[in-house]
Amino acid sequence: AQSVTQLDSHVSVSEGTPVLLRCNYSSSYSPSLFWYVQHPNKGLQLLLKYTSAATLVKGINGFEAEFKKSETSFHLTKPSAHMSDAAEYFCVVSDWSNDMRFGAGTRLTVKP
Amino acid sequence: EAQVTQNPRYLITVTGKKLTVTCSQNMNHEYMSWYRQDPGLGLRQIYYSMNVEVTDKGDVPEGYKVSRKEKRNFPLILESPSPNQTSLYFCASSWTGRPGELFFGEGSRLTVL
Repeated sequence: AQSVTQLDSHVSVSEGTPVLLRCNYSSSYSPSLFWYVQHPNKGLQLLLKYTSAATLVKGINGFEAEFKKSETSFHLTKPSAHMSDAAEYFCVVSDWSNDMRFGAGTRLTVKP
Repeated sequence: EAQVTQNPRYLITVTGKKLTVTCSQNMNHEYMSWYRQDPGLGLRQIYYSMNVEVTDKGDVPEGYKVSRKEKRNFPLILESPSPNQTSLYFCASSWTGRPGELFFGEGSRLTVL
């Protein structure tokens, strides 16, 4: 069985400061890992994915995530937050069969 | 434009009144899935379909039905809705060769009184 734990339900940062959203996973296999973003009243959008290639993954809008197998983590980062980054973020683990497990989500607030 | 379209986007109904939420995608995706989103629980899968005429239960299938008669459409049916099915529902699709890379609809907010 696989699962995902997002360690913070809510993160608040000031505009221009770094963003760190934390995700730990559990999987019996070599997992694929994803981050999705959900803006208010919208569907989820794929931000980035890890599929056993480079451990540092770059996504859209300046976001990055690093796969650390020894720590079973896949934290999402961005050097400088923008007001438009305010949204809910979901960490997702998937196996080869499309069995996907979503984390409970982290709400990111960006203060001016 | 590549998209997943859900209808209706908002619906208020009463207990026991059958309803269908439609989902259509224009990307020729084999895989389609329904999720419900509830506060603090993330997204939970209701049903999924690997291709036409192939459907399977997800984690929370009770009270729901689906069908996949055409590749582009994957309707979600609530035969006898109950208040605990009040939720935000999302349809998603992807190519089976790219598991996890889902395209989502904009959601359908359902309230059952």
